[in-house]
Amino acid sequence: EDKVVQSPLSLVVHEGDTVTLNCSYEVTNFRSLLWYKQEKKAPTFLFMLTSSGIEKKSGRLSSILDKKELFSILNITATQTGDSAVYLCAVDNYGQNFVFGPGTRLSVLP
Amino acid sequence: NAGVTQTPKFQVLKTGQSMTLQCAQDMNHEYMSWYRQDPGMGLRLIHYSVGAGITDQGEVPNGYNVSRSTTEDFPLRLLSAAPSQTSVYFCASSPVEAGELFFGEGSRLTVL
Repeated sequence: EDKVVQSPLSLVVHEGDTVTLNCSYEVTNFRSLLWYKQEKKAPTFLFMLTSSGIEKKSGRLSSILDKKELFSILNITATQTGDSAVYLCAVDNYGQNFVFGPGTRLSVLP
Repeated sequence: NAGVTQTPKFQVLKTGQSMTLQCAQDMNHEYMSWYRQDPGMGLRLIHYSVGAGITDQGEVPNGYNVSRSTTEDFPLRLLSAAPSQTSVYFCASSPVEAGELFFGEGSRLTVL
């Protein structure tokens, strides 16, 4: 059965802290791994990773994929209250379906 | 620049009623899907389609029906609503080559 697992499920930090969110997966036909941020409405796209070891970066957020060990991490440095959200990891099962993890709820306190 | 459009945004139904959630995309994406999102459970796939005339079941298909007569539209039908179908529903689409999944704004459904 295709599965995406995220940890931790919930995290509370203070502004300025650095956080690492984890995503591991088991799918039949991996094509890419995607990270999304969800606040009150629809998920918004952050990164798509297809190749191992290549870091994707956008401002204070970065992500890397390890296809051998079947996991990815999402790092957020110098967190701000605006980073408070649910972060979702999803795996593209070669266009047949996208499998989502349960999400990590991040709360950043001032 | 519409992207993925879902209607209605909110709906209240009584148990046993039927309804259709509409989804349309204007990006010529082959792949379309419906998810439901419940507290603490992430996004669970209901049904998906890889092109017009092709649909398949996801993780939680019971009580829902879909069809894909055109590339643009992918409606989700609730045949006889139950309180367990109270949820937020998202429609999403993606190109056939590797790419992100684009989401509609969501539809909040309450079944009394």
